[in-house]
Amino acid sequence: RKEVEQDPGPFNVPEGATVAFNCTYSNSASQSFFWYRQDCRKEPKLLMSVYSSGNEDGRFTAQLNRASQYISLLIRDSKLSDSATYLCVVSRNTGGFKTIFGAGTRLFVKA
Amino acid sequence: DAGVIQSPRHEVTEMGQEVTLRCKPISGHNSLFWYRQTMMRGLELLIYFNNNVPIDDSGMPEDRFSAKMPNASFSTLKIQPSEPRDSAVYFCASSSTGELFFGEGSRLTVL
Repeated sequence: RKEVEQDPGPFNVPEGATVAFNCTYSNSASQSFFWYRQDCRKEPKLLMSVYSSGNEDGRFTAQLNRASQYISLLIRDSKLSDSATYLCVVSRNTGGFKTIFGAGTRLFVKA
Repeated sequence: DAGVIQSPRHEVTEMGQEVTLRCKPISGHNSLFWYRQTMMRGLELLIYFNNNVPIDDSGMPEDRFSAKMPNASFSTLKIQPSEPRDSAVYFCASSSTGELFFGEGSRLTVL
């Protein structure tokens, strides 16, 4: 079983739709949580960190449930430019921060 | 500011040849990560260093793979001998605060 599991998608949504991605992680020692975005044939880049109380950045909202070991990302009013792969990421301190990526969920936003 | 610099960007080689991938992390970052990305397996953590010391190499697929970090500004990932199944994009990333900054990747094709 992979340490970080995501629905691979793809999710095909129209512009303006709300879309939600889910992620589960298996190691209860995980301490930090992130969502990264990866455009086609590019490197991953940090989208947002995920905090225990939940956090929002514009149209993006991230939630964390430590008890269920579950992370989510909600995108409201999706734009064509949101089309990308969204990677769920967990990290734990093992003398450095071991950072594990999920396989990613592909999103296509169409006009 | 210079980001993470990887070379070569593309390499095509024949089975059995030695491959060396290079990475220069962002100055001041104390953690360096090597990942491999394929369609089938997503982004896999191969090895990571903290303060130039290898912390966890459990993701290195087999003895044909080795990585070094002789100083804070340089790391190499070597594959010897290379095999067609090693074809992938290899990313290097560095970090100081938890957020990973990726290089543009080295796309390796082994024929």
